[in-house]
Amino acid sequence: AQTVTQSQPEMSVQEAETVTLSCTYDTSENNYYLFWYKQPPSRQMILVIRQEAYKQQNATENRFSVNFQKAAKSFSLKISDSQLGDTAMYFCAFMDQGAQKLVFGQGTRLTINP
Amino acid sequence: GAVVSQHPSRVICKSGTSVKIECRSLDFQATTMFWYRQFPKQSLMLMATSNEGSKATYEQGVEKDKFLINHASLTLSTLTVTSAHPEDSSFYICSARDFAGAAYNEQFFGPGTRLTVL
Repeated sequence: AQTVTQSQPEMSVQEAETVTLSCTYDTSENNYYLFWYKQPPSRQMILVIRQEAYKQQNATENRFSVNFQKAAKSFSLKISDSQLGDTAMYFCAFMDQGAQKLVFGQGTRLTINP
Repeated sequence: GAVVSQHPSRVICKSGTSVKIECRSLDFQATTMFWYRQFPKQSLMLMATSNEGSKATYEQGVEKDKFLINHASLTLSTLTVTSAHPEDSSFYICSARDFAGAAYNEQFFGPGTRLTVL
């Protein structure tokens, strides 16, 4: 079974700073997808970024980028120029290509301070 | 992006009663829907996967007789918590995807339903 581990329960940075959230996973699959989801206080899950395992290039979405290290099974999220609206729970998630079920990490509570 | 709704957003019920939660895909046909449970300050745990017109597949440890899932149409799945007890109090989230034959099909999440059992 796949597992996803987020070792940082909470993080806090000042507005405009850069912050990196860590995630490691364990799988024997070769084809899979990795995600970062944001869950603000509204509890609505929002997809932040997606990475296909077969792609070597790291995914980027505006201020959000990932560092995908397949051999190390590591998938960190970097948020540049952090904004107050980035305050939320962030979940790292794994999806295998077959069943396409999401497995979530424990989450990191990120607070952006003014 | 596609929109998924859930109803109700909040429900309070007495112990022993049954509660039905609806999950609807508003602008696409959801061949597969997923039901998750999230306890306070915890992660999402997949409860079951439902495909339209067939029986749901439950994750290990989830009681299928307690959490009844019906996916009778391409836009609606329901989760019924039968004989609810206080320990069933939680945040229930559904997601939906349209299997278009591609290698990857994004899951779209509903806003969740907070269930409180007194």
